[in-house]
Amino acid sequence: QSVLSQPPSASETPGQRVSISCSGSNSNIGSNHVHWYQQLPGTAPRVLIYRNNQRPSGVPDRFSGSKSGTSASLAISGLRSEDEADYYCATWDDSLRGVVFGGGTKLTVL
Amino acid sequence: EVQLLESGGGLVQPGGSLRLSCAASGFTFNNYAMTWVRQAPGKGLEWVSSISESGRNSYYTNSVKGRFTISRDNSKNALYLQMNGLKAADTAVYYCAKGPAIASWFDSWGQGTLVTVSS
Repeated sequence: QSVLSQPPSASETPGQRVSISCSGSNSNIGSNHVHWYQQLPGTAPRVLIYRNNQRPSGVPDRFSGSKSGTSASLAISGLRSEDEADYYCATWDDSLRGVVFGGGTKLTVL
Repeated sequence: EVQLLESGGGLVQPGGSLRLSCAASGFTFNNYAMTWVRQAPGKGLEWVSSISESGRNSYYTNSVKGRFTISRDNSKNALYLQMNGLKAADTAVYYCAKGPAIASWFDSWGQGTLVTVSS
């Protein structure tokens, strides 16, 4: 049972937009920045969004992040087949004094 | 180019020990907090431990407290994870990752090393 809650799966057709939610509490998302990681099959994770809505260089602007209260979301527009991956949200938890991850969302591009 | 190269994984019996290493290059090592994240087979990511830039402060997930010790040698650009009292539940790919601070994001990850705890 993960501290942050994500839907286990999501799917959409190419070219469409999909949103992945991440729900937490006051001690984690409510107090700290949220980061999103993408893990392509068989590879190490990479940061997709940091500090709620910042994109590292090299990440397309099709990816965007937002946060409100104790929830955050990752949106992917103009879906492509190469976006098929597992997506994880993460943040610091002040009560646990550690990093917490969501359980991950497996995105399927139909 | 940033590189993080983990080593030291393998098969170990329950109750045994392993020491993981992460060799870092391509960045100023002592300017970054370092972290171990693991992923059990077919499961999600789990934070294990983080250590501050100087090595003075370290944090652990509850399930490994008292069994695992994170350390770093800034003169060698190396990160370590000493794992004692290993359990089957510790079986996972262990990734090292770097970030600008303890509670920050992980901007680079290694490729991981597999630890299998089994008799």
